[in-house]
Amino acid sequence: GQQLNQSPQSMFIQEGEDVSMNCTSSSIFNTWLWYKQDPGEGPVLLIALYKAGELTSNGRLTAQFGITRKDSFLNISASIPSDVGIYFCAGQLIQGAQKLVFGQGTRLTINP
Amino acid sequence: NAGVMQNPRHLVRRRGQEARLRCSPMKGHSHVYWYRQLPEEGLKFMVYLQKENIIDESGMPKERFSAEFPKEGPSILRIQQVVRGDSAAYFCASSPATGRGNTIYFGEGSWLTVV
Repeated sequence: GQQLNQSPQSMFIQEGEDVSMNCTSSSIFNTWLWYKQDPGEGPVLLIALYKAGELTSNGRLTAQFGITRKDSFLNISASIPSDVGIYFCAGQLIQGAQKLVFGQGTRLTINP
Repeated sequence: NAGVMQNPRHLVRRRGQEARLRCSPMKGHSHVYWYRQLPEEGLKFMVYLQKENIIDESGMPKERFSAEFPKEGPSILRIQQVVRGDSAAYFCASSPATGRGNTIYFGEGSWLTVV
C-alpha cells in the first residue's frame, strides 16, 4: 500500500531554534496535510496544501507541497516550548476522497 | 460549537470481550472516518462512512471489526472478541463533505486496552 516516509523520527533542539522536517513518498499525492498531536489527544490540522509548488504559512509554521507531488516539508521558526509534540504529515491520493495516508511522525523535544 | 466527540476516552476489555466506540461528528458534518493508531506509529485509515452507508472499508480487518453510522445517533466502531493486538488509540474524524478545502477534523480519540 501507499507509504509516507517522514524524517527525522525525532528531534532534540534548544528553544528559539528553527526546525525542519519532511515527508517523501513513492506515490503522487494531490493534497498534503500537516498535523500536530499532543499526548493523549487527537491530531490537530496545522497546514493544508492543495497545489504542487504551493508554499503556505501559518504563523511561525511554513510548509511546501513539492513540485513532483511526492514530497512536502514543514518548517517551524523560533521554536517555543508549546511546539513540543509529534508532527505528522498526511497525504490524500485523490483530491476530495478524504482517505489520508499518514507518515510515522516526528517527535519534537525542546530544551528550554 | 462542539468538535468531534468520542466516547469512551479510555476503555479496558478482557480478551474475548466486545468493545464499542462511539463518535458524534461535528454539527453539520455527514462524513465520518475511523483511524487506528498503534503506539509510536502514525494513524492508519480504517473506514469511511456517510449516513447509513459504508463508502470505503478498505482499511478494516476482515474479521471481528464492523462500523456503522445510522440515520440517527453516533457512528459506532465495534470490535468483537478483542485480542491484545487490538490495543490502540482509535480516532474518529468528520467532514462536511468531500472535496478540496473540506477539512477533516479529528476527535480526541478512544484508547482501548485489552488485558
